[in-house]
Amino acid sequence: DAGVIQSPRHEVTEMGQEVTLRCKPISGHDYLFWYRQTMMRGLELLIYFNNNVPIDDSGMPEDRFSAKMPNASFSTLKIQPSEPRDSAVYFCASSRSGGRRNEQFFGPGTRLTVL
Amino acid sequence: AQSVAQPEDQVNVAEGNPLTVKCTYSVSGNPYLFWYVQYPNRGLQFLLKYITGDNLVKGSYGFEAEFNKSQTSFHLKKPSALVSDSALYFCAVRDEYNFNKFYFGSGTKLNVKP
Repeated sequence: DAGVIQSPRHEVTEMGQEVTLRCKPISGHDYLFWYRQTMMRGLELLIYFNNNVPIDDSGMPEDRFSAKMPNASFSTLKIQPSEPRDSAVYFCASSRSGGRRNEQFFGPGTRLTVL
Repeated sequence: AQSVAQPEDQVNVAEGNPLTVKCTYSVSGNPYLFWYVQYPNRGLQFLLKYITGDNLVKGSYGFEAEFNKSQTSFHLKKPSALVSDSALYFCAVRDEYNFNKFYFGSGTKLNVKP
């Protein structure tokens, strides 16, 4: 299995531009998570999906952030418009349902820099 | 609310020496605890987990963790450190009511010197 795939690995953009991050979860996993990692705040859960449906988006910082999962093998996290404080590493993770036992598998992350 | 704390930002150890990375947790019910490792420019990798059973849990790369209910701790250990173990280590606890949510600690940077 290829693991969780994220693209791009690095993104540099200017303030005000739209940014789209992409994720392909592990095949057969029905949960997908988006996290943000910064030095100041550590690892934060932004949103997660189950069977392509958003379950909890309470971690999404503001309306500039949106996430979709049109099918079981693809999800996007969009920031529009982007701001310098959005600079962070964004991780996608997936897991299989099964109660308490199953761990989450993380992608390599997208390092976003907003100038 | 569930939470984990990693009291040390950084741990330094010489190669060949035993290492310990500390984690304490706070839950109201049964804890479900995890350790992850993050190498530079990589995502988090699962190391081991405690769900139930033996207090000593063995995981990947020779790591183990000891669950201690009375001290509410779940310290990560390895008998003999390698330079290649240098990385960022995260402790995590599963939400008791929403199994799909994890709460991660702030991370501990492990430096293993030759």
